[in-house]
Amino acid sequence: AQKITQTQPGMFVQEKEAVTLDCTYDTSDQSYGLFWYKQPSSGEMIFLIYQGSYDEQNATEGRYSLNFQKARKSANLVISASQLGDSAMYFCAMSASGSARQLTFGSGTQLTVLP
Amino acid sequence: ETGVTQSPTHLIKTRGQQVTLRCSSQSGHNTVSWYQQALGQGPQFIFQYYREEENGRGNFPPRFSGLQFPNYSSELNVNALELDDSALYLCASSHIAGVQETQYFGPGTRLLVL
Repeated sequence: AQKITQTQPGMFVQEKEAVTLDCTYDTSDQSYGLFWYKQPSSGEMIFLIYQGSYDEQNATEGRYSLNFQKARKSANLVISASQLGDSAMYFCAMSASGSARQLTFGSGTQLTVLP
Repeated sequence: ETGVTQSPTHLIKTRGQQVTLRCSSQSGHNTVSWYQQALGQGPQFIFQYYREEENGRGNFPPRFSGLQFPNYSSELNVNALELDDSALYLCASSHIAGVQETQYFGPGTRLLVL
């Protein structure tokens, strides 16, 4: 079984500052994928970034980077230069092994960017 | 925008009724997954369809069923609705072809069961 833990129910950050959202995972699989999604109040789940378990480099996508520490089983999301539009719920997720590769989600972190 | 569409956007039903939710996948994708997201929680996997066959199922009872059509669009059917079925239902499309299989989500259908 796979498990994602997000221990920060809510986070505040000042506009233009960087913020780190924590995610730890548990799995017995050797091959897996880690994802971060953003969910604004409208409800749509927006894909942000992906990290494969065998990727040696940390993933980056624009202002988003994923701090992947395999030995610690952590996959923290770093958002640089926060913007007001970054205020949303953020979910960490893991893909299962096998054919379905369904996503297992954490409980989410509500990020609020302050002007 | 992802190109994944869902209908309807909102729905109100009463306990015991049946509901059908619809999803059109992104162009070029062959797989559709459905998730249920209760208020204040992360999404929970219901099932996945690949090439019109169920390709995996989460811990949901048989009254949750689905279909995938030749154009890869999909339906989620829920029979004998219960109050706890009130949730946001998210559809995600992807393309099975390698290790990374990113799922792209639609805007969701908000279901309220009274």
